[in-house]
Amino acid sequence: DGGITQSPKYLFRKEGQNVTLSCEQNLNHDAMYWYRQDPGQGLRLIYYSQIVNDFQKGDIAEGYSVSREKKESFPLTVTSAQKNPTAFYLCASSPPPGRSKGYTFGSGTRLTVV
Amino acid sequence: AQKVTQAQTEISVVEKEDVTLDCVYETRDTTYYLFWYKQPPSGELVFLIRRNSFDEQNEISGRYSWNFQKSTSSFNFTITASQVVDSAVYFCALSEAALYGGSQGNLIFGKGTKLSVKP
Repeated sequence: DGGITQSPKYLFRKEGQNVTLSCEQNLNHDAMYWYRQDPGQGLRLIYYSQIVNDFQKGDIAEGYSVSREKKESFPLTVTSAQKNPTAFYLCASSPPPGRSKGYTFGSGTRLTVV
Repeated sequence: AQKVTQAQTEISVVEKEDVTLDCVYETRDTTYYLFWYKQPPSGELVFLIRRNSFDEQNEISGRYSWNFQKSTSSFNFTITASQVVDSAVYFCALSEAALYGGSQGNLIFGKGTKLSVKP
């Protein structure tokens, strides 16, 4: 079955380290997204990519970076510039507008700074 | 600017009660999409429904039903005869129409409503 795979499920980062969260999809979706979820805050958009080799900043892009070298992959790097990275990170992809199903989400990565 | 408001932060009901989760949205677009997602304790978001702005028909799927009213900018979600397995956080979300073919635009989420169904 097609879907989105996020890894790792849990990640611990030391102060000053960069870490990369993996997101892979086999749904043949063009668009992919990264969201951050904090308790009681809902989901906020970090970065999104509508097509390979192109991506745009979302509402809270500072301290994060992404790449989109392949259609299937959209890794997120949390840099040392992100001062409060502890959160739950969700990756998503979306089909063309004519499809009935909405966005598909991965199972998330929980990042903790230690 | 687009915005989604879920005024109910937490709701607690007893099993078999009906419960309605409210969602109010703001957008200047004439074409947009509305969504509901369920987030169980495992964390993954589970898609429940997507409606476009031109389709105001109410929808029913088993114990779930949705009431879309453009006049009040609301897209409310009702669970009939709630069950313990319905306990989760529910998110309402809004997206613009695609900027160009191939995507639906970005999702704007409400802050979610935590539903607890007690036996």
